[in-house]
Amino acid sequence: AQSVTQLDSHVSVSEGTPVLLRCNYSSSYSPSLFWYVQHPNKGLQLLLKYTSAATLVKGINGFEAEFKKSETSFHLTKPSAHMSDAAEYFCVVSEPPRGGADGLTFGKGTHLIIQP
Amino acid sequence: KAGVTQTPRYLIKTRGQQVTLSCSPISGHRSVSWYQQTPGQGLQFLFEYFSETQRNKGNFPGRFSGRQFSNSRSEMNVSTLELGDSALYLCASSSGRLAGQETQYFGPGTRLLVL
Repeated sequence: AQSVTQLDSHVSVSEGTPVLLRCNYSSSYSPSLFWYVQHPNKGLQLLLKYTSAATLVKGINGFEAEFKKSETSFHLTKPSAHMSDAAEYFCVVSEPPRGGADGLTFGKGTHLIIQP
Repeated sequence: KAGVTQTPRYLIKTRGQQVTLSCSPISGHRSVSWYQQTPGQGLQFLFEYFSETQRNKGNFPGRFSGRQFSNSRSEMNVSTLELGDSALYLCASSSGRLAGQETQYFGPGTRLLVL
């Protein structure tokens, strides 16, 4: 079964400094991995996804993530935080359904706080 | 293209009642998935429908059911509501051609409060 662990429930950075949100996953198959962002009272928006192509994935708003199979990690980074980045971030793992499997499995989320 | 729409956006029910939530996917998308989001359990997968058939199912009791119509619109039903069913219910759509690899596009959610 697939699972995903977001290592930090809260991350606080100053505006203009780098952002690192950590994610480890577990999967029996070659998974697809995603990062979604949820702003308050809004739905989920895709930031980026990995589906077995390039291991360094670039997403929207300057975010990127690197798939490291040996470490089973998919950490999200951004060189310079902006106030508008304050939100909840979800790391997601997905495997092709195998007769009643799990669909998307979400991490518990990381709340990103941006200090002025 | 219009995004995923969900109705109603807010709902208040009492224990024991039943509720039906609706989701209209992005035009051309044939897969609709439902998720429950609560502060305690986070985001959990309920089920996925593709071409009017349930293709995938999460670990929820039988009180949670769904269906999909020929136009890909989907409804989710919860019977005999419990206080613990209070949550944000999110619907997501995708083309459905590459199950497990596709981007899912989420609606704004329906916030259900059970009293």
